[in-house]
Amino acid sequence: DTGVSQNPRHKITKRGQNVTFRCDPISEHNRLYWYRQTLGQGPEFLTYFQNEAQLEKSRLLSDRFSAERPKGSFSTLEIQRTEQGDSAMYLCASSLAAKDLWAKNIQYFGAGTRLSVL
Amino acid sequence: SQKIEQNSEALNIQEGKTATLTCNYTNYSPAYLQWYRQDPGRGPVFLLLIRENEKEKRKERLKVTFDTTLKQSLFHITASQPADSATYLCALLSGGYQKVTFGTGTKLQVIP
Repeated sequence: DTGVSQNPRHKITKRGQNVTFRCDPISEHNRLYWYRQTLGQGPEFLTYFQNEAQLEKSRLLSDRFSAERPKGSFSTLEIQRTEQGDSAMYLCASSLAAKDLWAKNIQYFGAGTRLSVL
Repeated sequence: SQKIEQNSEALNIQEGKTATLTCNYTNYSPAYLQWYRQDPGRGPVFLLLIRENEKEKRKERLKVTFDTTLKQSLFHITASQPADSATYLCALLSGGYQKVTFGTGTKLQVIP
């Protein structure tokens, strides 16, 4: 399977603990995105990388959130001192920066990591 | 502020009929509009993209219209099947920028 892979699929943690999620994008894709989705809502943009550079962060991404993409391949999203309000599905997507309009605007999503903070 | 509205109530239709889903937006001038499908516990899957200067786009049983004057897109599934049951998300993109803003989605249930 050469799609976007996210691990773990589910994470249950206690309030105040730190958690880290991993995303492996489609191998030739140089753009990577993180979104958060709560029940009944659409995905909300968190941050975006082109290669290893983090080019934008949403105001939703508080200081407790940090994302990295050290070698321009996989990415990690860490949440420190988790709060119950952090409970959500965290989605990763990737896309290919290309001259072709069709290719560069299609984002391929992983299955997500569902976080439950108790 | 920018707002994307999709019918939050589920849409139930009979198999074989045409499903029509609506996406309305305000305070936004998107260059592109996309529709995604999302199944429970899965990430969204891209279906169709339409540009601001296009009125209509088709793909197999799917049709999307884009009216920048009304600030509205309609998404049609003809000859609907139970397998089409899912949540459908509208998404807007500004030109030259990769950030995608999603609507809340509409849940479609096709009844056999």
